[in-house]
Amino acid sequence: EAHLLESGGGLVPPGGSLRLSCAASGFTFSSSAMSWVRQAPGKGLEWVSSISGTGGSTFYADSVKGRFTISRDSSKNTLYLQMNSLRAEDTAVYHCAKEIWFEYWGQGTLVTVSS
Amino acid sequence: QSVLTQPPSASGTPGQRVTISCSGSSSNIGSNYLYWYQQLPGTAPKLLIYRNNQRPSGVPDRFSGSKSGTSASLAISGLRSEDEADYYCAAWDDSLIGVVFGGGTKLNVL
Repeated sequence: EAHLLESGGGLVPPGGSLRLSCAASGFTFSSSAMSWVRQAPGKGLEWVSSISGTGGSTFYADSVKGRFTISRDSSKNTLYLQMNSLRAEDTAVYHCAKEIWFEYWGQGTLVTVSS
Repeated sequence: QSVLTQPPSASGTPGQRVTISCSGSSSNIGSNYLYWYQQLPGTAPKLLIYRNNQRPSGVPDRFSGSKSGTSASLAISGLRSEDEADYYCAAWDDSLIGVVFGGGTKLNVL
């Protein structure tokens, strides 16, 4: 069964940057699209970004477009999310998920944007 | 304001059948598959229904999904206390070129 483990979260000031990682195992990573979904404290789920299996196609929510970059390294079975120009409203638990329909989810990593 | 509309809450007693609705538009539910997720308290979401009405391995057949036009629903029969959770619907949106979620429905088992 697929296993996803996120890391890289933490406290960052507004305007700062952070890079999240998601280590994948238990499935053929290079054949699977991958996604990031976030959940602000006490709020619902919000799709952030997805990337195709080859990495050739990427998709972003309007709320993060131009600030976040999704990427992957199939040699390391790892998904990334580079987050720049962070805002208070980006505070959330960030989950990585397998496929664009979120077949499997990681437990998430908390990102807090605050001064 | 979520693109997909769900009732904020639903409730039922053990053994009852409960349905949760999800309403969208022609650019999302009307033209793409609908997915449902269950999020138990303090845990990560889990895929519950995929491609409108398919259950992943391990999901009890008490859970069923349906879709008609621009609306969909999740039905839970034989309600159990462990079904108390937040439920979310989601679909790809051709206009937004991305995935849209419903706001979530908190199910209380009385």
